[in-house]
Amino acid sequence: DTGVSQNPRHKITKRGQNVTFRCDPISEHNRLYWYRQTLGQGPEFLTYFQNEAQLEKSRLLSDRFSAERPKGSFSTLEIQRTEQGDSAMYLCASSLAVHVVGQNYEQYFGPGTRLTVT
Amino acid sequence: EDKVVQSPLSLVVHEGDTVTLNCSYEVTNFRSLLWYKQEKKAPTFLFMLTSSGIEKKSGRLSSILDKKELFSILNITATQTGDSAVYLCAVEKDNAGNMLTFGGGTRLMVKP
Repeated sequence: DTGVSQNPRHKITKRGQNVTFRCDPISEHNRLYWYRQTLGQGPEFLTYFQNEAQLEKSRLLSDRFSAERPKGSFSTLEIQRTEQGDSAMYLCASSLAVHVVGQNYEQYFGPGTRLTVT
Repeated sequence: EDKVVQSPLSLVVHEGDTVTLNCSYEVTNFRSLLWYKQEKKAPTFLFMLTSSGIEKKSGRLSSILDKKELFSILNITATQTGDSAVYLCAVEKDNAGNMLTFGGGTRLMVKP
């Protein structure tokens, strides 16, 4: 399978616990993005990486959230001391970085990890 | 603040009908507008539009962008039940990260 994969697909946790999600992008894509989507809304940007460098973070990304992409391939998103408001679908997307004519650079999304905080 | 607004919020039609979904935007440093289809999983890419007035077409789906009036439409002709989904519009900014700002989506239900 050459698409974006995410694990786990579903996570139920109790308030106050830490959770970690993983994203494996399309192999030749050097950009990786994290988005959060709540019910009835469009995805909201959280952060993105180019290779291993985290280049931008949204103000939505509180101090309890941290993301890594240590070798420029897969990425992890950790949420510490989860709160009920963190319940959402966490989507990962990947793309090529360079806009070259004739090359597809749109973002391709993974299936998401649905987090429920009880 | 950047804004992407989609209308209608939801739509119920019967198979065979034609639908038009709307997306208006206010963003600085616009680069492109994208349409995605989302069923109960990942958004799947439909179209990327960068130039005004040039229609993109894929089967029964087509889309066009108006950069002067800051909107795009997505048309679906001869709708089928498999077209039932949430259709998301997103704008890509011309900055280092090319992050997407999404609208809230239009939920389309096609009845047999």
